[in-house]
Amino acid sequence: EVQLVESGGGLVQPGGSLRLSCSASGFTFSNYVIHWVRQAPGKGLEYVSAISGNGGSTYYADSVKDRFTVSRDNSKNTVYFQMSSLRAEDTAVYYCVKGFIWGQGTLVTVSS
Amino acid sequence: NFLLTQPHSVSDSPGKTVTISCTGSSGSIASNYVQWYQQRPGSAPTTVIYETNQRPSGVPDRFSGSIDSSSNSASLTISGLKTEDEADYYCQSYDDTSLVFGGGTKLTVL
Repeated sequence: EVQLVESGGGLVQPGGSLRLSCSASGFTFSNYVIHWVRQAPGKGLEYVSAISGNGGSTYYADSVKDRFTVSRDNSKNTVYFQMSSLRAEDTAVYYCVKGFIWGQGTLVTVSS
Repeated sequence: NFLLTQPHSVSDSPGKTVTISCTGSSGSIASNYVQWYQQRPGSAPTTVIYETNQRPSGVPDRFSGSIDSSSNSASLTISGLKTEDEADYYCQSYDDTSLVFGGGTKLTVL
């Protein structure tokens, strides 16, 4: 069974940093793009980032470019999402997605 | 930028059939697969349709997906509505390799 599990969310002050992890199982991890999608409270889904199977290609939405960095360790079946210079508007549940399989999400709250 | 537009809300009674549209802003929506996600309050999205018209195992055949090229739209049809179908529904396609989401449709089962 394909499974994605996010972790690392929490409360952080504006300007701070946080690293999310997405641990995967049930498929050949290195063969697949992993996407990050976020959802602010009461809002719709926003596509924020992606990383190719070998980690050689990445994508960032303009809203997070130059602040967030996506990476992966295929030996650990894990994708990382390093978030820096966090703003109140980054408050959201962050999901990792493979194809049409979603993780359960992890909540990031940016507040003083 | 490629955009997907959904109605803000739809509603109908139990047992009825409802259709949610997802209209592409440019190009041909049929040139890429469309996914549909169901999201109940407080829960992660789950897939009800993938690759435009395929149902994951466990999703009842009351859910179906289609494309209407004449209107450049994808549609999610739910027949035999049940109260448990009340949720937000999002369509998703692609712009090059990036994911594109519709704004979501709130389905109310009266």
